[in-house]
Amino acid sequence: TQLLEQSPQFLSIQEGENLTVYCNSSSVFSSLQWYRQEPGEGPVLLVTVVTGGEVKKLKRLTFQFGDARKDSSLHITAAQPGDTGLYLCAGWGSGNTGKLIFGQGTTLQVKP
Amino acid sequence: GAVVSQHPSRVICKSGTSVKIECRSLDFQATTMFWYRQFPKQSLMLMATSNEGSKATYEQGVEKDKFLINHASLTLSTLTVTSAHPEDSSFYICSARDRQGALETQYFGPGTRLLVL
Repeated sequence: TQLLEQSPQFLSIQEGENLTVYCNSSSVFSSLQWYRQEPGEGPVLLVTVVTGGEVKKLKRLTFQFGDARKDSSLHITAAQPGDTGLYLCAGWGSGNTGKLIFGQGTTLQVKP
Repeated sequence: GAVVSQHPSRVICKSGTSVKIECRSLDFQATTMFWYRQFPKQSLMLMATSNEGSKATYEQGVEKDKFLINHASLTLSTLTVTSAHPEDSSFYICSARDRQGALETQYFGPGTRLLVL
């Protein structure tokens, strides 16, 4: 069974601090997606990483896909209260199951 | 990015009644849609995969007679919670899969908050 282990699950920091969220697996994924979800809303796609070693930047967010395509990280620089939310990594299951496998999620709270 | 709509956004119903939730892909055709359930501060739990023109595939432990799924067109899937009970109260989210060449992306609806009294 393919699993995505996401850590940490909860993170509470002060505005201006940096943070990194990790998404790890023992399985290879063809691509990984990162979503952000605010309370009472659906997840919003932030980025898709496809190539091993790929780095993508979205303003203060930096996403990296591991060389072996088994892990990914999300780094936020100078976090702001607006970054507060649930961050989810997800990857398509192998064997053509057609299901998106989710990590447990990281709840981020950025205090002003 | 692609847009997926969900209706209604909130619904309150009495125990024993049925509730239908609609999920639409607005600017792309989706042969596959997914229905999730989410509890507070937790990740999404897949309930079923909805395939256009065929029966839905349910995850283990999900009652197919209770959660009826219909994917009648390439842009619409519906989830009907039949004979709803208070324990069915939850946040239900649909998603649609968009395939662009070799790249697949899943876009989510805004969710439906169901409260069964």
